[in-house]
Amino acid sequence: NAGVTQTPKFQVLKTGQSMTLQCAQDMNHNSMYWYRQDPGMGLRLIYYSASEGTTDKGEVPNGYNVSRLNKREFSLRLESAAPSQTSVYFCASGRVYGDTQYFGPGTRLTVL
Amino acid sequence: AQSVSQHNHHVILSEAASLELGCNYSYGGTVNLFWYVQYPGQHLQLLLKYFSGDPLVKGIKGFEAEFIKSKFSFNLRKPSVQWSDTAEYFCAVNRATGDSWGKFQFGAGTQVVVTP
Repeated sequence: NAGVTQTPKFQVLKTGQSMTLQCAQDMNHNSMYWYRQDPGMGLRLIYYSASEGTTDKGEVPNGYNVSRLNKREFSLRLESAAPSQTSVYFCASGRVYGDTQYFGPGTRLTVL
Repeated sequence: AQSVSQHNHHVILSEAASLELGCNYSYGGTVNLFWYVQYPGQHLQLLLKYFSGDPLVKGIKGFEAEFIKSKFSFNLRKPSVQWSDTAEYFCAVNRATGDSWGKFQFGAGTQVVVTP
C-alpha cells in the first residue's frame, strides 16, 4: 500500500499562474481532505470531501477549488496563484468522516 | 479565530524528562479528539485519539492523553522522553453537529526538541 500520495513534491509558480495539486489514496477511504500548513498556524482545512460525490468548504477555501474525481482521487486547483498561497499543502484521507486521517507527504508551493 | 489552543509553541527538554503538552478547545458538546505528530521530514501520523469511554487514552510510543470535559482539555503526556521524540505535535478536534460531524480544527502545533 502506498497510502496517500501527492504530486508534485515541490512547485514554484509566478503570481497569476494556475496549477493543480494531485492526491490519491489506495486505502478505499471514503473521506478526503486538503490542508495548508503555515508556520505558527498549524494545519488549516481548505476543502474536504466527506464521501465520493460531495465536497465542502473548510476554514480557508478562498482562491481554491477541488474535484473529487473518484473515490481514490481528490485534486486541489489554484486558478490564479497569489504569494499568500505560498505554503505546504497536505492531503489526507479517512475511512469515514470524523475518524482518523492519514496524511500524504505534502507539496511545498512557492508563489513569487 | 482559533478554536483549538495549544499553549506552548516551543518546548525544549532533556532526555528522561517528563513532557506535558496542553490542548484546549472552545466549544461544548460531543467531540472527537486527536493528537498527531510530525517527525522531521515525515508525514503527520496519529499518536492517539479519544472518541468516548475511558478519558485516559494510551497511544503509540508511550504517549497518553487525558480528556477532561469540564476543562475542555485534552493534554498529552509522556513520563520520560527520548531524543527520538523531537517532533512537532498537533492537537485536533472534530465536534458533533446534529447527527454528523463538523469540520476538523487543528491547533497551531508545539515544536518539541529533546536534547541528549
